[in-house]
Amino acid sequence: GAGVSQTPSNKVTEKGKYVELRCDPISGHTALYWYRQSLGQGPEFLIYFQGTGAADDSGLPNDRFFAVRPEGSVSTLKIQRTERGDSAVYLCASSLGDQPTGELFFGEGSRLTVL
Amino acid sequence: AQSVTQLDSQVPVFEEAPVELRCNYSSSVSVYLFWYVQYPNQGLQLLLKYLSGSTLVKGINGFEAEFNKSQTSFHLRKPSVHISDTAEYFCAVRKFGNEKLTFGTGTRLTIIP
Repeated sequence: GAGVSQTPSNKVTEKGKYVELRCDPISGHTALYWYRQSLGQGPEFLIYFQGTGAADDSGLPNDRFFAVRPEGSVSTLKIQRTERGDSAVYLCASSLGDQPTGELFFGEGSRLTVL
Repeated sequence: AQSVTQLDSQVPVFEEAPVELRCNYSSSVSVYLFWYVQYPNQGLQLLLKYLSGSTLVKGINGFEAEFNKSQTSFHLRKPSVHISDTAEYFCAVRKFGNEKLTFGTGTRLTIIP
């Protein structure tokens, strides 16, 4: 596809369950980002990958959150023992990664609702 | 750490009227500045960015923004809005040498026909 693809678009789960959210970046983009957007707030940085490695994971709120990008393309955000406070839209973005000010291209997000 | 303040959560404007969406930032170091737009049911899209040089930056869809270092502001303007400009607008900053974008809370622009 031409843009950043995120699946699922909507996920409803119960408190305590495990969730995986997938991001398929634009082909050839080496940089990948995860953000979280709660209701009425701006996107909040979670983690940044350059290639396969997590270059900055300082935004992950706690050890229930983990993200991988094993082949430097698709990324999965994993949330263990979900809590109601995890309910938010999880955004993924990618960029060429060859410039410090390169444009980020965002997906439409995965809306997570924890009951 | 840097932060971004968008003073107006909602701005209603009549069609063809001018609009200004306000953004102030705080940072102890130099930053890059951005405006992103989120149309209904779409992902965030870059509207314009300030990196260096001329303080007046022009973006897509007729928008422009002016960087004011002394006032630490980066307000977004458009001389004449259209129904299609209805969206949420986010101001963001990024420290030199850092990949993390820090966003404001957003301003919802509503165009009144």
